Amino acid sequence: DAGVTQSPTHLIKTRGQQVTLRCSPKSGHDTVSWYQQALGQGPQFIFQYYEEEERQRGNFPDRFSGHQFPNYSSELNVNALLLGDSALYLCASSLAGTNLISGNTIYFGEGSWLTVV
Amino acid sequence: AQSVSQHNHHVILSEAASLELGCNYSYGGTVNLFWYVQYPGQHLQLLLKYFSGDPLVKGIKGFEAEFIKSKFSFNLRKPSVQWSDTAEYFCAVDRYNNNDMRFGAGTRLTVKP
Repeated sequence: DAGVTQSPTHLIKTRGQQVTLRCSPKSGHDTVSWYQQALGQGPQFIFQYYEEEERQRGNFPDRFSGHQFPNYSSELNVNALLLGDSALYLCASSLAGTNLISGNTIYFGEGSWLTVV
Repeated sequence: AQSVSQHNHHVILSEAASLELGCNYSYGGTVNLFWYVQYPGQHLQLLLKYFSGDPLVKGIKGFEAEFIKSKFSFNLRKPSVQWSDTAEYFCAVDRYNNNDMRFGAGTRLTVKP
């Protein structure tokens, strides 16, 4: 059990539609990052949320947006879906303020499979 | 462009063979290095990580990796693979200690019984 929970696990959407994916971080974690993993590829960083604000962003268009709630859970929204948005979307949680040298590690959820048809 | 490169897309080995998967990165400055494994249908799991100190890092399930700073490399090794090691392996780099991971494209390992 990774401790990071994501929903839904699978969904199918039509081109042009909008989708919202949800993530609950591991207990005690306050930072949530989102990744897109296309078939046969490594995860690509979308953005990271901390204190309810987007702290960092990868090379993704504005169609990809997110939100973090006071309880540290997060949503990823994708507007105007394209066929190329079909992928596994991974959420990862971590604890800010404790760098990785102290032993903190990023934990990944099992992901949400999005198919755009 | 800054990147993480994994040289082998698909590696096929017989059980008991030795394994080495290559990983190179192009980021300058301080980085932390990771290897993750993804078994079919499962989430990413951390195999091992390097932050500082001894460049030879030992992880779970008999895996180890060596950080060679001059070569910007962090190759994964295992002396004797098992059928259960069949999985996708990802090298990742965390820049500036900010939990912002950059992943390689992955290497699919198939171990034949």
